[in-house]
Amino acid sequence: GAVVSQHPSRVICKSGTSVKIECRSLDFQATTMFWYRQFPKKSLMLMATSNEGSKATYEQGVEKDKFLINHASLTLSTLTVTSAHPEDSSFYICSARDPFAGGYEQYFGPGTRLTVT
Amino acid sequence: TQLLEQSPQFLSIQEGENLTVYCNSSSVFSSLQWYRQEPGEGPVLLVTVVTGGEVKKLKRLTFQFGDARKDSSLHITAAQPGDTGLYLCAGGETSGSRLTFGEGTQLTVNP
Repeated sequence: GAVVSQHPSRVICKSGTSVKIECRSLDFQATTMFWYRQFPKKSLMLMATSNEGSKATYEQGVEKDKFLINHASLTLSTLTVTSAHPEDSSFYICSARDPFAGGYEQYFGPGTRLTVT
Repeated sequence: TQLLEQSPQFLSIQEGENLTVYCNSSSVFSSLQWYRQEPGEGPVLLVTVVTGGEVKKLKRLTFQFGDARKDSSLHITAAQPGDTGLYLCAGGETSGSRLTFGEGTQLTVNP
């Protein structure tokens, strides 16, 4: 089945610094990846849609200058949280769609726990 | 904006009991996915339904897509502690489009 990895799984950073999270599709090429944020015991909140070779599409209320997304290849998308603050602490999850497998499903990475101190 | 209402939000039952989780919308979806998520991990895809009235079974789990493709249900028979987790429904407008997620159902199955 389709496998998506994320790195790192956990990261602790100081307020004001930037953190980069990587999302990779391991056994398929993903033209589209998605970035979500999840609060404890809550559902997923879509932050942005990452398209290979073009600019990401951000959801309303998500600051594109704060959450930088780069989708430079068909297997890698990165999310950089710039000038992180404690309120950015959350569980960040990416997903990828395999365009040759029906196209409906999204396969999720294991998530990255970000803690900003 | 399409919305998916998922109920119940929380469910705590004893091992061996049956349960049903509902996912409802006023909008039509081309597909409906169900995911299960454990703490600290990403959601894992359980099933995708795309045809109105479709029923899929996965061992003790039965998934149904409404005839009008506006609602779906997940039924678990003889629940086990290993079924504990957050269950999420997600609807897609078209193939490849973004998913709209329900609020999730936190299921706890007590031994």
